[in-house]
Amino acid sequence: AQKVTQAQTEISVVEKEDVTLDCVYETRDTTYYLFWYKQPPSGELVFLIRRNSFDEQNEISGRYSWNFQKSTSSFNFTITASQVVDSAVYFCALSEEYGNKLVFGAGTILRVKS
Amino acid sequence: DAMVIQNPRYQVTQFGKPVTLSCSQTLNHNVMYWYQQKSSQAPKLLFHYYDKDFNNEADTPDNFQSRRPNTSFCFLDIRSPGLGDAAMYLCATSRGVWGQETQYFGPGTRLLVL
Repeated sequence: AQKVTQAQTEISVVEKEDVTLDCVYETRDTTYYLFWYKQPPSGELVFLIRRNSFDEQNEISGRYSWNFQKSTSSFNFTITASQVVDSAVYFCALSEEYGNKLVFGAGTILRVKS
Repeated sequence: DAMVIQNPRYQVTQFGKPVTLSCSQTLNHNVMYWYQQKSSQAPKLLFHYYDKDFNNEADTPDNFQSRRPNTSFCFLDIRSPGLGDAAMYLCATSRGVWGQETQYFGPGTRLLVL
């Protein structure tokens, strides 16, 4: 069975601090896909990144970076120089190759204070 | 810009009074999903349409129904809302049903049941 664990319920940082959101997953499939979504207070789930299980390259997009490590079944998300606008709930999710059901983690609330 | 639109953004209904939530998309995606998200929880998939094929999740209550009259529109009908149905309802779309397909979400409709 698939499972996604986001152990950090809530994180508070001061603006300009770096912050890492942890995501650990479980799956029996060899092919799978990992996602991060951001949900600001307005409620919309905003897609941030998709990574397939065969691509362990880390990715950087502006202040965002993702570290995928199959050896530890983790797909962590780092925000560099955090800003108040980064305050949101962040969800990590997993889908298997055959099937489009997203399994979400419980989410991490990120609060960035000025 | 291509997008997923949900109307209304806020909906208030009375206990037991049928209510319909609307979703439309300009992405021309084949798959449309409905999720229920209760406070401080991850989204929970209710059902999805792949083109005209309806796929219900096993634990979705019979009180929830859906219609997809065409590619662009999908409706969520709650036949007799209970207090426990108060939640954010999120519509999402994807091109296909494989795990690699990214789901794109609308802004959600917050349902309040009085």
